[in-house]
Amino acid sequence: SQTIHQWPATLVQPVGSPLSLECTVEGTSNPNLYWYRQAAGRGLQLLFYSVGIGQISSEVPQNLSASRPQDRQFILSSKKLLLSDSGFYLCAWSNRGHYGYTFGSGTRLTVV
Amino acid sequence: SQELEQSPQSLIVQEGKNLTINCTSSKTLYGLYWYKQKYGEGLIFLMMLQKGGEEKSHEKITAKLDEKKQQSSLHITASQPSHAGIYLCGADGGYQKVTFGTGTKLQVIP
Repeated sequence: SQTIHQWPATLVQPVGSPLSLECTVEGTSNPNLYWYRQAAGRGLQLLFYSVGIGQISSEVPQNLSASRPQDRQFILSSKKLLLSDSGFYLCAWSNRGHYGYTFGSGTRLTVV
Repeated sequence: SQELEQSPQSLIVQEGKNLTINCTSSKTLYGLYWYKQKYGEGLIFLMMLQKGGEEKSHEKITAKLDEKKQQSSLHITASQPSHAGIYLCGADGGYQKVTFGTGTKLQVIP
């Protein structure tokens, strides 16, 4: 069966520090991968999606970047965090031709 | 871009009562998803609707997509504390990118 792992679960980082959140999927190949952010009191915002290794599409301009170095690995990064980067980050995957996402358990990032 | 508006934003019901959550889209819906989220956790897929007039059920939760495919409703029968959480509707925006509504927070009082 397919599983998705996201870590860490919580993270407190100072302003200006770097960020790396990792997401891996098991039990499937060539998935579509997504990073979403959920800010307090707001809905889910799609940040990045990827249809293959090295293929990243950015949905909104921001202080973050994403990379997909392997088929089932998706990384969210920042060189210098801002206070506004705080939020709940969710990774998700879907199979082409099959609808609906499977979400990871999320990372709560607090920038202080 | 497609926007989804959910109503109500929050809901408090007594255990055993029925309730309905609505999701209205600014554009025609070609795939409508319902997810549930417990606070601080990931989203759990509930169901997906594609055809106008389609209705699906999962345990005590029923979702419908209207004929014009611009609105969906989620109905919970005989609510239980386990139904508490945030319900989000999402619309398929192509490339399997899903745009989500702002969510409806449901509390069920025992």
